Amino acid sequence: EDQVTQSPEALRLQEGESSSLNCSYTVSGLRGLFWYRQDPGKGPEFLFTLYSAGEEKEKERLKATLTKKESFLHITAPKPEDSATYLCAPFSGNTGKLIFGQGTTLQVKP
Amino acid sequence: GAGVSQSPSNKVTEKGKDVELRCDPISGHTALYWYRQSLGQGLEFLIYFQGNSAPDKSGLPSDRFSAERTGGSVSTLTIQRTQQEDSAVYLCASSRDRAAGNTIYFGEGSWLTVV
Repeated sequence: EDQVTQSPEALRLQEGESSSLNCSYTVSGLRGLFWYRQDPGKGPEFLFTLYSAGEEKEKERLKATLTKKESFLHITAPKPEDSATYLCAPFSGNTGKLIFGQGTTLQVKP
Repeated sequence: GAGVSQSPSNKVTEKGKDVELRCDPISGHTALYWYRQSLGQGLEFLIYFQGNSAPDKSGLPSDRFSAERTGGSVSTLTIQRTQQEDSAVYLCASSRDRAAGNTIYFGEGSWLTVV
């Protein structure tokens, strides 16, 4: 059965305090892994897609990495505007669907 | 349009009533998905349309839920005889096609409250 687990569920950081979010997955026919950001009351906003182990992508203070079993979202020197829920979603080529984790809710305090 | 458009943004309905939620995907996108997000839960797959192929309905939670897509564009999700456990955000997403390399974009969701 396809499974995605994100940790921690919640993370509180001080502004400038770097950290990482984890996404562990077991997905049949993995054809890519998506990261989204979701603000309260909004739909998920696309951040990155990673396709193969060892791949890395960066956007501003965020860097996403992928291994065969995990993906990490590294946040360097976060700012309060980075506060949001971050969603990991592997794409199953077998089913043609995104499979979402529960998300990590990040709060960055000034 | 520029993005995935959903309506209504918010809907409050009485238990037992039927509701219709609409999704207008990004122009030219042939793949369309519906997901549900309950309070404190992850996104749950409901149904998927790809072009003229038969939809994948494997995520629909009961026969009270149905969806259609007219002309390969706009989609409507219908919930009959709503129950309180149907209260959730219903999110629509679209992509160019079902190939894995295509980004899947989400709308802002329709917030459904059943009272």
